[in-house]
Amino acid sequence: RKEVEQDPGPFNVPEGATVAFNCTYSNSASQSFFWYRQDCRKEPKLLMSVYSSGNEDGRFTAQLNRASQYISLLIRDSKLSDSATYLCVVNALDNYGQNFVFGPGTRLSVLP
Amino acid sequence: NAGVTQTPKFQVLKTGQSMTLQCAQDMNHEYMSWYRQDPGMGLRLIHYSVGAGITDQGEVPNGYNVSRSTTEDFPLRLLSAAPSQTSVYFCASSYGQGVGTFFGQGTRLTVV
Repeated sequence: RKEVEQDPGPFNVPEGATVAFNCTYSNSASQSFFWYRQDCRKEPKLLMSVYSSGNEDGRFTAQLNRASQYISLLIRDSKLSDSATYLCVVNALDNYGQNFVFGPGTRLSVLP
Repeated sequence: NAGVTQTPKFQVLKTGQSMTLQCAQDMNHEYMSWYRQDPGMGLRLIHYSVGAGITDQGEVPNGYNVSRSTTEDFPLRLLSAAPSQTSVYFCASSYGQGVGTFFGQGTRLTVV
């Protein structure tokens, strides 16, 4: 089983739609969780951290379910500019506890 | 702000050639890392460093060397390039676990 798995996508949605991405992770001891966004042929950029109580940033809401080892990202009122690949990221438990494991990403296309 | 700077942006190598990918950050981050990104595979960790003089292997270290003589610089060396090393390489840095990671713009490497 891969350490971090995501919805395979792609997701094609109309402008204004609500879309949700799911992510599962295998290591129950993981402590830090993030969503990154990657535009085509660009570097990944941090979208938001994911906190145990859930958190919201404008149109974006992230949820964490530790019992199920599941993370989600909800995007409301989708914009054309939201088209990108969304990466789920979990910290790895290596020698120094500093590394991150990236999911393969879910591609989103918001259509006019 | 420069952030994380990678050079070169593009490179074509012949099988067996060696080269160094340069990475520098100006944020005084202790933690730096190198990833490669291949279609359908997500980002995979090659090597990382938690401070000057300290490096460790990631998930896919074979064929690559690193060193960390200063906080700012973390070069990645390809010892004898192989076609399997054709990929997009990202350098990243962060303050440490629990916080987001900043990426360089990437190096697109083709080995023929």
